[in-house]
Amino acid sequence: KNQVEQSPQSLIILEGKNCTLQCNYTVSPFSNLRWYKQDTGRGPVSLTIMTFSENTKSNGRYTATLDADTKQSSLHITASQLSDSASYICVVSAGGGNKLTFGTGTQLKVEL
Amino acid sequence: SQTIHQWPATLVQPVGSPLSLECTVEGTSNPNLYWYRQAAGRGLQLLFYSVGIGQISSEVPQNLSASRPQDRQFILSSKKLLLSDSGFYLCAWSVWGEAFFGQGTRLTVV
Repeated sequence: KNQVEQSPQSLIILEGKNCTLQCNYTVSPFSNLRWYKQDTGRGPVSLTIMTFSENTKSNGRYTATLDADTKQSSLHITASQLSDSASYICVVSAGGGNKLTFGTGTQLKVEL
Repeated sequence: SQTIHQWPATLVQPVGSPLSLECTVEGTSNPNLYWYRQAAGRGLQLLFYSVGIGQISSEVPQNLSASRPQDRQFILSSKKLLLSDSGFYLCAWSVWGEAFFGQGTRLTVV
């Protein structure tokens, strides 16, 4: 069964600090992996997409990594801001890319 | 461009009342459609997904049902709401590996 597990479930950090969120998956055959940011009470919005051949991709202060051999991805947030407080969801697509498996998310809170 | 509409944005319903949440997609055909629930402080829980008209798969047993009467329309329903049905409901669609989410419906059952 395709699964996506994220850790930690929740995280509290101080403003300005860095943090790393983890995503492990057992989806096969792998097509791509996306990280989404979900603000409270809103729908998730895509941050990055990683395909099989990509190891690292950055989007501003967000950097995603992918290790297709170990089936792990991470999302690193640099110099965190209060506005980074949100739920971060890892989504992996299989086969031709049309079947998605969602992680349950990591709830990040950035405090002063 | 593709867009997804989900309504209503908020809903307060008494226990035992029926429920109907609607989601429609524009700008694409034959999308995969999903209904998720997110309880307070919890992650996304997949409720239903559909790969085509009339094709519904349920991920967890519950008091809810889903229907897809048209290619780009996905409806979440309940005959009698329970207090435990309260939560944030998200509709999503996907084509070629990318998921797009609606803005969600905050349901409070009182």
